[in-house]
Amino acid sequence: QLQLHESGPGLVKPSETLSLTCTVSGDSLSSSTNFWGWIRQSPGKGLEWIASIDYIGHMYYNMSLRSRVAISVDKSKNEVYLRVNSLIAADTAMYFCTSRRYEVDAFDVWGQGTMVTVSS
Amino acid sequence: DIQMTQSPSSLSASLGDRVTITCRTSQNINIYLNWYQQKPGKAPKLLMYTASTLQNGVPSRFTGSGSGTEFTLTINSLQPEDFATYYCQQSYNTPYAFGQGTKLEIK
Repeated sequence: QLQLHESGPGLVKPSETLSLTCTVSGDSLSSSTNFWGWIRQSPGKGLEWIASIDYIGHMYYNMSLRSRVAISVDKSKNEVYLRVNSLIAADTAMYFCTSRRYEVDAFDVWGQGTMVTVSS
Repeated sequence: DIQMTQSPSSLSASLGDRVTITCRTSQNINIYLNWYQQKPGKAPKLLMYTASTLQNGVPSRFTGSGSGTEFTLTINSLQPEDFATYYCQQSYNTPYAFGQGTKLEIK
């Protein structure tokens, strides 16, 4: 059974860089049937798709965030990463790691989320 | 970008009631519309994909319909575990967008 588990620093300062890790178990990042990605949720902006990556390494970004975010994977560790730089208060949110199966074309597996607060 | 409009934003209903939530999109997305349920402190859970296909394990009292720009999620015979917030999401193109949510509360 596919499971996703996010980890992150919790509290980060404005202008700093956020690094999040999603550990995938129950499937391989090399699976050709899945896209892996990140979605965040904040009271002000609701649910916001950030980025996705497929098994080949093609990356897809929300262009509203593209200049500040980067998604990557380490197949040897079965981990997905998100980096967000130049943090601002509006980046305060719960960050979810997600899987989207190609044939379902929806976010069918979610991690439990990791809360990130941007504050000095 | 495709804009999503969900209605109502909140809804009060009783056990056993039938409720309908509507999602409208700013452009034609064919049937590429998904529905999620979220309970407090939990991640969203996929209920329905491609407008009307029930995700494995989701009770059949949930039904979805629509195509183009207007979609509905109907819950028949509300059960206690159905009181939650519901979101629609388009998977037609990026950026994948979500509706603002409909909070379903017990009357």
